[in-house]
Order: sequence, then structure tokens, then C-alpha cells
Amino acid sequence: DAMVIQNPRYQVTQFGKPVTLSCSQTLNHNVMYWYQQKSSQAPKLLFHYYDKDFNNEADTPDNFQSRRPNTSFCFLDIRSPGLGDAAMYLCATSSDRGSNQPQHFGDGTRLSIL
Amino acid sequence: KNQVEQSPQSLIILEGKNCTLQCNYTVSPFSNLRWYKQDTGRGPVSLTIMTFSENTKSNGRYTATLDADTKQSSLHITASQLSDSASYICVVTGGRPDGGATNKLIFGTGTLLAVQP
Repeated sequence: DAMVIQNPRYQVTQFGKPVTLSCSQTLNHNVMYWYQQKSSQAPKLLFHYYDKDFNNEADTPDNFQSRRPNTSFCFLDIRSPGLGDAAMYLCATSSDRGSNQPQHFGDGTRLSIL
Repeated sequence: KNQVEQSPQSLIILEGKNCTLQCNYTVSPFSNLRWYKQDTGRGPVSLTIMTFSENTKSNGRYTATLDADTKQSSLHITASQLSDSASYICVVTGGRPDGGATNKLIFGTGTLLAVQP
């Protein structure tokens, strides 16, 4: 009964080669988030969607983009990955923005850059 | 500056023992505080969530406390099990002037707990 599913769990790409990470949810939540988490660090919010409304964090690099074609799916596109982009990428959902409901996280995609 | 600080950074305890993890925050205004458990290589899983009016909340062997006046929270784990080995992350949500919550979560860097047999 997985609720937030991220594919693949592990992704290897070459320096500068575009890569797409995917996230799907069965919770029918309005809000979907993408976080970047590097080793021994807290997750860092990259952007979030409130329904179709896209919200970019001020310090998210231009190299990172996102698409949400429907309620269930959200994609993270990294146009030209650099070595510093190697990290765990976490997708999360919540029923509402700014609510007291918990964010439900997927198990992440660990991205390696060769 | 809104910050969340956790202590200790890491902790080793023997199976069956109790432990308490600390979280101090400077986020203001404040809406809620959450504790998450993150197993190695997995996403965080919510343990508890407390608003400013709640002092304590339990989830099985996990009990969280909140003192909104001193801006401190603790997570107490009773009768630890090997499966409790994980990173425990304190997350604070800021509040809005209208009394609602913002969408921005402020994460602590976590306490890495190792339970040994």
C-alpha cells in the first residue's frame, strides 16, 4: 500500500547528461514537493506544486525544473547534472499547503553522477 | 534567523534502554513541530505532530513533548529496539499572521541513533 512512490530508487547518469526522476502518489493530495538531501544533511526544499501552481525556492538552481502533468505524478528534471548534484532526491505530498497535516515522503531516488 | 537545532548529533544505546532526543528552535511565529524517523536509504516517516497548544503526544513507544514558551521539544523513546536505529529529525513549520501555517518546513540536521544488542 505504498502511497508515495519514487522511481527509480537508484539512478546513475553522466556529468552533463539530462536526467528525470519521477514521483507518483495514490493519496490524491493537492501538494507535491521535491527535496534534495545530501549525506548527513537535512532535506532542502527545491520547489513545490499546489495543484498546478508551481512554486520555486529562491535558491534552487536553474538547472532544476519540474513538471506535474496531473494530480498523481510529478517529475524532477535536471538539465545538466554536475558532480554537486549527487544526492538523495525526496518527493513528498500533503493534503494542503500550510496545514497541520504531515508530509508523506517517498523513499527517494539516490542520484550518482559519473 | 529561523533555525532548528538538535542534540545530540549521534547517540548509541543498548537495546531495551530509554533515551531522549532534544530539539531547540528559534522559528517565530510558530505553527507546529514534527518529529520524523528516517531509516538509512529511506524517506522520513512522520512520528508526531504538535501545535503550540499541545504539550505532549505519543505514538507507541515514542513520546514527544513541546514547550512553546522555551521553544524546546524532546522525543523520548522507551524500551528501545534494534529497529529504532535511524536518524530522528525535528521539523518546525512557521506560522502566518492570520494564525495559519506557512508551507515552509524548517528541518533540523537530525540525531543519529544506534541501538546495539
